[in-house]
Amino acid sequence: GESVGLHLPTLSVQEGDNSIINCAYSNSASDYFIWYKQESGKGPQFIIDIRSNMDKRQGQRVTVLLNKTVKHLSLQIAATQPGDSAVYFCAETLTGGGNKLTFGTGTQLKVEL
Amino acid sequence: NAGVTQTPKFQVLKTGQSMTLQCAQDMNHEYMSWYRQDPGMGLRLIHYSVGAGITDQGEVPNGYNVSRSTTEDFPLRLLSAAPSQTSVYFCASSKRRTAFTDTQYFGPGTRLTVL
Repeated sequence: GESVGLHLPTLSVQEGDNSIINCAYSNSASDYFIWYKQESGKGPQFIIDIRSNMDKRQGQRVTVLLNKTVKHLSLQIAATQPGDSAVYFCAETLTGGGNKLTFGTGTQLKVEL
Repeated sequence: NAGVTQTPKFQVLKTGQSMTLQCAQDMNHEYMSWYRQDPGMGLRLIHYSVGAGITDQGEVPNGYNVSRSTTEDFPLRLLSAAPSQTSVYFCASSKRRTAFTDTQYFGPGTRLTVL
């Protein structure tokens, strides 16, 4: 079946450095992608989304890049802070395809002081 | 607004017991859903609802029932708990029926252990 996965289960970065979290998706029909942040003991929190008609979208300190050719999604966090330590999930869906998100397994981001 | 609330936060059941996980939102959101989260796996959709009186199955619906009698509440029922249902359960809501063009808000989760 279709699936969404992450290349790296754990990423350690120094405070102040930029972080890049990667995600591969396998359903070429997916047209909407979301990144979530989940802190320990809490529910996932929306970070940023992107539609398949875009290849880049920027938010506050975060940028999502979409490469449809290789079915790859990445989340870039600028000037990583200790508060960014969390698990990050990508998710994909086909809009109009039944309101169903498929989540990746998650990447643990650890920010070292 | 309280957002999305879930009760209880923790629950331990014996195999065969039944229980209901509660979920409520005070944002007048049309779309609500239940996910389970297991170690090493992403969130998986159990059931969802696009409005009061309407529910549908997600990816892993077996062993769970839902109902949506009001816009605010979306309880998840386990009729006969099994150890395989040990997991963390998250409820989520979003404003419109087209859930994924709109931000989903997640509750804090219920950690369920079935012995």
